[in-house]
Amino acid sequence: EVQLVESGGALVQPGGSLRLSCAASGFTFSNYWMSWVRQAPGKGLEWVANIKQDGSDTYYVDSVKGRFTISRDNAKNSLYLQMNSLKTEDTAMYYCARDLPLDFWGQGTLVTVSS
Amino acid sequence: QPVLTQPTSLSASPGASVRFTCTLRSGINVGSYRIYWYQQKPGSLPRYLLRYKSDSDKQQGSGVPSRFSGSKDASTNAGLLLISGLQSEDEADYYCAIWYSSTLVFGGGTKLTVL
Repeated sequence: EVQLVESGGALVQPGGSLRLSCAASGFTFSNYWMSWVRQAPGKGLEWVANIKQDGSDTYYVDSVKGRFTISRDNAKNSLYLQMNSLKTEDTAMYYCARDLPLDFWGQGTLVTVSS
Repeated sequence: QPVLTQPTSLSASPGASVRFTCTLRSGINVGSYRIYWYQQKPGSLPRYLLRYKSDSDKQQGSGVPSRFSGSKDASTNAGLLLISGLQSEDEADYYCAIWYSSTLVFGGGTKLTVL
C-alpha cells in the first residue's frame, strides 16, 4: 500500500524557516518524480515544486523561487521542502504527492505563518 | 488572465450528467496538453480522477468509475470532465491541471452541488 506521511508543519513567524519531510513507503520511491502541493485555508490547490527521481532536476512555482528548496533522499525514501523567508501567504496545508499524475497524496502538514 | 479557468460552481440532480469545463488561456492550445482532473471532498485529500489528452492518450485513475470521463472541446479551447449518473457522493470540488511552462498549474476549482 502506498503511503506518504508528511511532518514538520508548525506555527512560525514571518521571515522564519521550516523544513517539511515526507516519508514514503509501499512503492519504489526512487522511480518517481515527487511534488509538494499546498492549499491555503478555504482555497484551491497550488502546486509548489517537484523533483526528478535522482534529484538532478527541480521546478518551482514562481512565488517560492529563491525561498523554498525541494530535495530528496532515496536511501531514506524521503522527500523534503526547506522553506525560508516565510511569508503570511505561505500559510497552508502542505501535501506531498507522487508525480505526475499526483496519484497518491499524503495527509498533509499544516504550516502557519503568523506573528 | 489565468492559465486555467474553471466555473466557480455547478449544480445538478442525482442521475443527471454534468460537464466541467477547464478553459485554457488564449494562446495556449488545449490540443497540446494533458489535462489532469482531481476531486476533493470536504475535509478530504484530493483524489486523482483521470488524465486526458486524446482518445489514444488518456488514463483513468485507479478505482475511478467509468462514469467519470475526459474530453476536450477545441472550439472553446477547453478540457472537459464528464460525470454521468450523478450520485450524491460526487458532491465535491473538482480541479483541473496542466503541466505548463515547467510548472504544474491548477485551475481554481469548481464546486459541484448535487441537488
